[in-house]
Amino acid sequence: DAGVIQSPRHEVTEMGQEVTLRCKPISGHDYLFWYRQTMMRGLELLIYFNNNVPIDDSGMPEDRFSAKMPNASFSTLKIQPSEPRDSAVYFCASSFWTGSSYNSPLHFGNGTRLTVT
Amino acid sequence: EDQVTQSPEALRLQEGESSSLNCSYTVSGLRGLFWYRQDPGKGPEFLFTLYSAGEEKEKERLKATLTKKESFLHITAPKPEDSATYLCAFKGGGGATNKLIFGTGTLLAVQP
Repeated sequence: DAGVIQSPRHEVTEMGQEVTLRCKPISGHDYLFWYRQTMMRGLELLIYFNNNVPIDDSGMPEDRFSAKMPNASFSTLKIQPSEPRDSAVYFCASSFWTGSSYNSPLHFGNGTRLTVT
Repeated sequence: EDQVTQSPEALRLQEGESSSLNCSYTVSGLRGLFWYRQDPGKGPEFLFTLYSAGEEKEKERLKATLTKKESFLHITAPKPEDSATYLCAFKGGGGATNKLIFGTGTLLAVQP
């Protein structure tokens, strides 16, 4: 199992540019989560999907952020236009429904470090 | 409002010096308390899930415990390779949600 795969690992862009982060969840996992990590705020949930459908996007900071999951093996997080305050590490995680009251634990990718200058 | 607080923010131990990390929570209807380890440049790695007060789980030098208001991660005779940031997270019962809310972590440094 290759685990959750994120690309790119590092992204440096200028303010105002569009940024697209990509994620491939673990095969068979039906939940996908996007988190953002900063020193000041720690890990914050941005949005999560179940069976490719967005369930809760209350953590998306503003309309500049959008996420899609066109199929079970791919998701994108897009920032347009990007701003310096978007600089952070963005993590994707996936899990699956165990059939009981609880999901399996989240499995995280190694993140994309975004720097907006 | 559901929230979780971890303490201390940072902890430095000598190899072999046992200690505990704290995770205090206020959650309406806890549906799981999770511990993760995060190494620099990596994503969080799952350690334990605890579901009810009194529950304990162990893995090598780590033991996690849960009460109605807090969880502890006990580290017995730590080694330098235990150095990492330890994160706790909870899954609350309010609404139909499967999201984990994370604390800000404890940065543990174990010196040889």
